[in-house]
Amino acid sequence: KQEVTQIPAALSVPEGENLVLNCSFTDSAIYNLQWFRQDPGKGLTSLLLIQSSQREQTSGRLNASLDKSSGRSTLYIAASQPGDSATYLCAVAGFQKLVFGTGTRLLVSP
Amino acid sequence: ETGVTQSPTHLIKTRGQQVTLRCSSQSGHNTVSWYQQALGQGPQFIFQYYREEENGRGNFPPRFSGLQFPNYSSELNVNALELDDSALYLCASSLEGRQTMNTEAFFGQGTRLTVV
Repeated sequence: KQEVTQIPAALSVPEGENLVLNCSFTDSAIYNLQWFRQDPGKGLTSLLLIQSSQREQTSGRLNASLDKSSGRSTLYIAASQPGDSATYLCAVAGFQKLVFGTGTRLLVSP
Repeated sequence: ETGVTQSPTHLIKTRGQQVTLRCSSQSGHNTVSWYQQALGQGPQFIFQYYREEENGRGNFPPRFSGLQFPNYSSELNVNALELDDSALYLCASSLEGRQTMNTEAFFGQGTRLTVV
C-alpha cells in the first residue's frame, strides 16, 4: 500500500527566503508525481507534474525533483513571497488514483 | 481556473439524509475521479469513472456511489449520511486510457459538505 509523507508539516519563513519542501513515498512503482497548492477551504491547483522517467521540472520560481529509487521528491521555492502562503500537497500517481500526503502548511511573512 | 466546476460550493445536510454532488469536467477530458478531504488531511480517493464506467474504487462503503454521463460530467451520491462524512469533496478530471494514469489531473474548487 502506497504511503506518502510530507515534512515539515508546517513552515514559517520571512519573505525572500529560499525553501525546500519534502515528500517521500514507500512504493517506487509510480506513473508520476504532482505537486499541488491549496488555499484554505479551496480546491487544488496543480503546480508541477514530474513523469516517472523525469528527474525534475521547473516553473517560474518553483523547481521539483524526483528520485524514484529513494522514494523522494522535493519542491524548491525561490525568493518566497507572502502570496506563496498556502498548503502544499504532493501526490503520487499509481494505477487509477492519486495518493496524497497530508501537506506542508507554509506561511511567508512580509 | 482549471475548467473543472463543482456544485454546490457548500451544503449542509442532516444525518441520515442523501446528497448529490456534481462535477463538470474540463473540456476534452474523459476521466473523472472523486476525492474526500477531511480537515487537516490529504485527499482520499473515492472512485474513478472512465467513459461512463467505474474504473476503480477506494476504501469507501457502497453508500458512496457515482455516475458519469455521456458528456463526461459526473455525480457523487452519498446515502445515509453520517457525521464523519463532513468533508471537502473534490472532483478531478483528466484524459486517460483505461490502464494508465500518467497525465495531469485538474481539480475543481470542491464542495464543502457539513453533516449535522
